Amino acid sequence: GNSVTQMEGPVTLSEEAFLTINCTYTATGYPSLFWYVQYPGEGLQLLLKATKADDKGSNKGFEATYRKETTSFHLEKGSVQVSDSAVYFCALPLGSARQLTFGSGTQLTVLP
Amino acid sequence: DTAVSQTPKYLVTQMGNDKSIKCEQNLGHDTMYWYKQDSKKFLKIMFSYNNKELIINETVPNRFSPKSPDKAHLNLHINSLELGDSAVYFCASSQAAGGHEQFFGPGTRLTVL
Repeated sequence: GNSVTQMEGPVTLSEEAFLTINCTYTATGYPSLFWYVQYPGEGLQLLLKATKADDKGSNKGFEATYRKETTSFHLEKGSVQVSDSAVYFCALPLGSARQLTFGSGTQLTVLP
Repeated sequence: DTAVSQTPKYLVTQMGNDKSIKCEQNLGHDTMYWYKQDSKKFLKIMFSYNNKELIINETVPNRFSPKSPDKAHLNLHINSLELGDSAVYFCASSQAAGGHEQFFGPGTRLTVL
């Protein structure tokens, strides 16, 4: 069935390290793909999105490319900062009403 | 000018009580949602309303009852609270039903003692 699988955390990195958080999915067609971020004590907010194959979403130094061949949408950042410490969620429309379905979340902690 | 607001932000109550959480959005969106986030950050959708009509009703105990008096408001009432109801509850809205970007409120942390 349709699903979204996200890399389990927690992930701990030093400042300026390279970040990858994996996200793969199974779905019919080519749905829009999203990454959301949840900073401590806050609600989720959209980080970036891609609406079609080979699109690259980017924001705040984060990037993710819509790869239909591998059904993946991995999140990357070349140099993380302490302020990037948060929980990251991959999401796509999979539900009965095609509402967004969120991955299990990946907790990222960046140490100075 | 908060887009999606929830009240209260914190709610501490005893088992067996009845409580409500309110949500309002000023984005002019048609669709609103309630999510439950557990201590491991797993996010589970509970309900969704589109133009005041219930469109998603996931497997949630019937002690939970949503109410949408108008498109801009979606409230969550919980009867006979149990320890397992302790979680953070998020309200969200989107322009329309389907795979549109969702805008989240700040969350309500419910603690049942």
